[in-house]
Amino acid sequence: AQKITQTQPGMFVQEKEAVTLDCTYDTSDPSYGLFWYKQPSSGEMIFLIYQGSYDQQNATEGRYSLNFQKARKSANLVISASQLGDSAMYFCAMKLSYGKLTFGQGTILTVHP
Amino acid sequence: SAVISQKPSRDICQRGTSLTIQCQVDSQVTMMFWYRQQPGQSLTLIATANQGSEATYESGFVIDKFPISRPNLTFSTLTVSNMSPEDSSIYLCSAGQGAYEQYFGPGTRLTVT
Repeated sequence: AQKITQTQPGMFVQEKEAVTLDCTYDTSDPSYGLFWYKQPSSGEMIFLIYQGSYDQQNATEGRYSLNFQKARKSANLVISASQLGDSAMYFCAMKLSYGKLTFGQGTILTVHP
Repeated sequence: SAVISQKPSRDICQRGTSLTIQCQVDSQVTMMFWYRQQPGQSLTLIATANQGSEATYESGFVIDKFPISRPNLTFSTLTVSNMSPEDSSIYLCSAGQGAYEQYFGPGTRLTVT
């Protein structure tokens, strides 16, 4: 069975600094996708970045990058130049070929001015 | 990317009653998903809504409690039946066209008194 683990319940970062949110996964399926979402206090789920299991390069989207280490089964999210608006809950999720997402427990990020 | 809307955005309901949540996608999608997020928790998949066939429910969720309709490729409803305070959650609709995308609606924040 597939599993996603986020071991950091909460993280703090100073504004303008970079922060890494950890995510490890477990699956025996060779084809999968890894997602990161941001959930502000409003409750909406905002898609940030995607990494496919066969992608050779790490995904990047603006200030977000995904540090994909396949052998270690990790997919850490790196946020560069943190902003106050980055304060939110962040979820890592995995999608197998049949479509449904499995989520980690989430990490609350707090950006200090 | 798909744009997903949900109605209502929030509701306060009495125990024993039912609430139907609507989800509309701005493009045709094969699969739609319904998730529940209990307070302070991660997202849990309730069911996959399949067009033209019955929904596929995850372990712990049953059709009598969470009936789902999927009349076409852009619309789905989730009903929360015979509600109790334990059903107080955010309910989120999700859809995506390919393996590399999965978007969410803004969510329905339900409080059961």
